[in-house]
Amino acid sequence: DTAVSQTPKYLVTQMGNDKSIKCEQNLGHDTMYWYKQDSKKFLKIMFSYNNKELIINETVPNRFSPKSPDKAHLNLHINSLELGDSAVYFCASSQVPLAGGRLDTQYFGPGTRLTVL
Amino acid sequence: AQSVAQPEDQVNVAEGNPLTVKCTYSVSGNPYLFWYVQYPNRGLQFLLKYITGDNLVKGSYGFEAEFNKSQTSFHLKKPSALVSDSALYFCAVSGYGNNRLAFGKGNQVVVIP
Repeated sequence: DTAVSQTPKYLVTQMGNDKSIKCEQNLGHDTMYWYKQDSKKFLKIMFSYNNKELIINETVPNRFSPKSPDKAHLNLHINSLELGDSAVYFCASSQVPLAGGRLDTQYFGPGTRLTVL
Repeated sequence: AQSVAQPEDQVNVAEGNPLTVKCTYSVSGNPYLFWYVQYPNRGLQFLLKYITGDNLVKGSYGFEAEFNKSQTSFHLKKPSALVSDSALYFCAVSGYGNNRLAFGKGNQVVVIP
């Protein structure tokens, strides 16, 4: 009964390859996110989707493409992987924004540790 | 713009002593404030939040935080630290009209047996 799940947990690949990370939430939330956590543990928002509509698209290389087939799933596809893409990628979900557009609690998946060789 | 400052990189505390992790924020309007904990090789786990009401918020694992509007702070506290509290703690804020959380850089807490 995991709330937010990601697959795979670990991903080791060569430079130049294409890979995907999948995320699913069973909390009934409308909004999902992708975050990148670098080696210094800084968290950076990459994308967010609200009911399959792209809301946030940060200054992320266009080699990264999110896809949301339905509001319970948000996948991340990465083309032409580079060494600098090595990081931990977290999926999260939350309810729709509350009063004044402020966000409610986000629930995070366990993370996918991507290592590019 | 909204931002969070967690001024200390690491907090060391002896087991059984009080634990405090500091957080100050900058945001337009009234903030929603959150604390998360990240154990090694795990995702972020929600600890507690302040949205409105009582300034003292109680959360999971015996943690609490106090919202102080005049000092724009939301410090995390625990009366008696456990070795198992050793982890990375993130403070986050959501301000009016923003569509994202602003996270602090995180504080590593080390509880010494």
